[in-house]
Amino acid sequence: DAKTTQPNSMESNEEEPVHLPCNHSTISGTDYIHWYRQLPSQGPEYVIHGLTSNVNNRMASLAIAEDRKSSTLILHRATLRDAAVYYCILRDVRKDSGGSNYKLTFGKGTLLTVNP
Amino acid sequence: DTGVSQDPRHKITKRGQNVTFRCDPISEHNRLYWYRQTLGQGPEFLTYFQNEAQLEKSRLLSDRFSAERPKGSFSTLEIQRTEQGDSAMYLCASSQSIGTHTLQETQYFGPGTRLLVL
Repeated sequence: DAKTTQPNSMESNEEEPVHLPCNHSTISGTDYIHWYRQLPSQGPEYVIHGLTSNVNNRMASLAIAEDRKSSTLILHRATLRDAAVYYCILRDVRKDSGGSNYKLTFGKGTLLTVNP
Repeated sequence: DTGVSQDPRHKITKRGQNVTFRCDPISEHNRLYWYRQTLGQGPEFLTYFQNEAQLEKSRLLSDRFSAERPKGSFSTLEIQRTEQGDSAMYLCASSQSIGTHTLQETQYFGPGTRLLVL
């Protein structure tokens, strides 16, 4: 399975932009890039996903490198509520037996600290 | 939409006891997942249901673990003869299948059940 690499931790100041990187150098052509985050004492929550083009939603933006070997989750103005562990996840469309494209494979993620 | 709920939120038990956790998914969701998360790690997949059918079990799910989803609604996860290594957060998630476009599905997670085995 394609794997992702994220920094263990990052710090930001409140109301400043945050760029959370993810490396996925072995990504295959049909892997989608998903981001989830986990606030303290809660289950993970979906943030955003994309394939090739940059994506925006109300929570964040996802910038995908042209070669797709890396991506960046962008929080435009960090708030204290954005302090969480952020997970970058690849979802594989391989059709082999037991095609595991429905489960999420989490790494350790990036712990984002937001300073007031 | 009340979200995914799990019960209990916390459970302390003695080694060797059996425990059962319940998950109520979002009502129209036909897929349900169980994950386990230990301290400092991301969640790990345990098992998956589509409606009432259990379609995959991870190798992490030993014979002491059993999960059910009768009638394709709520699900239970039972651990028999608990061991200290079972101490973890047990997370449930649900999603609504969109035909074959699995990759477009968002999984919605519950708050988890934190298990401590003494």
